[in-house]
Amino acid sequence: AQSVTQLDSQVPVFEEAPVELRCNYSSSVSVYLFWYVQYPNQGLQLLLKYLSGSTLVKGINGFEAEFNKSQTSFHLRKPSVHISDTAEYFCAVSEAGTASKLTFGTGTRLQVTL
Amino acid sequence: KAGVTQTPRYLIKTRGQQVTLSCSPISGHRSVSWYQQTPGQGLQFLFEYFSETQRNKGNFPGRFSGRQFSNSRSEMNVSTLELGDSALYLCASSGVTGGTDTQYFGPGTRLTVL
Repeated sequence: AQSVTQLDSQVPVFEEAPVELRCNYSSSVSVYLFWYVQYPNQGLQLLLKYLSGSTLVKGINGFEAEFNKSQTSFHLRKPSVHISDTAEYFCAVSEAGTASKLTFGTGTRLQVTL
Repeated sequence: KAGVTQTPRYLIKTRGQQVTLSCSPISGHRSVSWYQQTPGQGLQFLFEYFSETQRNKGNFPGRFSGRQFSNSRSEMNVSTLELGDSALYLCASSGVTGGTDTQYFGPGTRLTVL
C-alpha cells in the first residue's frame, strides 16, 4: 500500500513570488507520482506526472516537480505565481504500471494575494 | 476530444434513499475509477472498472456498488443513504494517451443527504 503526506495544509504567498508545495510518499514498490489542481466547485486537473526517466518533470501553467527517490519526495514548484493559481493542490501516488487507483494526500491550499 | 462527463452535477436525497450516478469516460478509455471527496476524509478511492469488470476496490461498505457497460460508461450506486455519504463523487477515466497511462477527472457530482 502507498501513502502520501502533504506537509502544509495552507500556503499563503504574494503574487510573483516563488512557491514550493511539499509532498512525501511511502511505498514498498515502485510508484508513479502526480500533482493535481482543483479549483472551487470543479474536478481535478492533472498538472504533471512522474512515471520514469528524468526526475525533473515539467507540467502545465509553469509548474514543475522533482522526484527524489532517496527522500521519497515529489515537491511542486513554480518560480512566479499568479492570482489565478489560487486553488487546492493534491499530490497522488499509484503503483507503477497503473494510474487507475490513486492514493491522494490531504491537499494544500495555495492562496495567492497581491 | 470530449472530456469526462458526469451526471447529474448536483443531487439532494434523504436518508435511507438510494442514488445512481453516471460517468461517461473519454472516448477510447476503458478504465473508469470512482472517488469520494469529503472535507473530513479527503479523496478516497471507491472502485475501478475495466472492460465491464471491477478491477480494484477501496475500503467502502457494500452499500457502494458500481458497474460498467460495454461502451465503457459507468454507474455508481449508493443504497440506504446516510448523512455521511454527502460528498463530491468524482469519476476518472484512464487509458493510454501519448503512450502513457493517464487518469483524467470529471467535474464531479455533488451529493447532499438530508
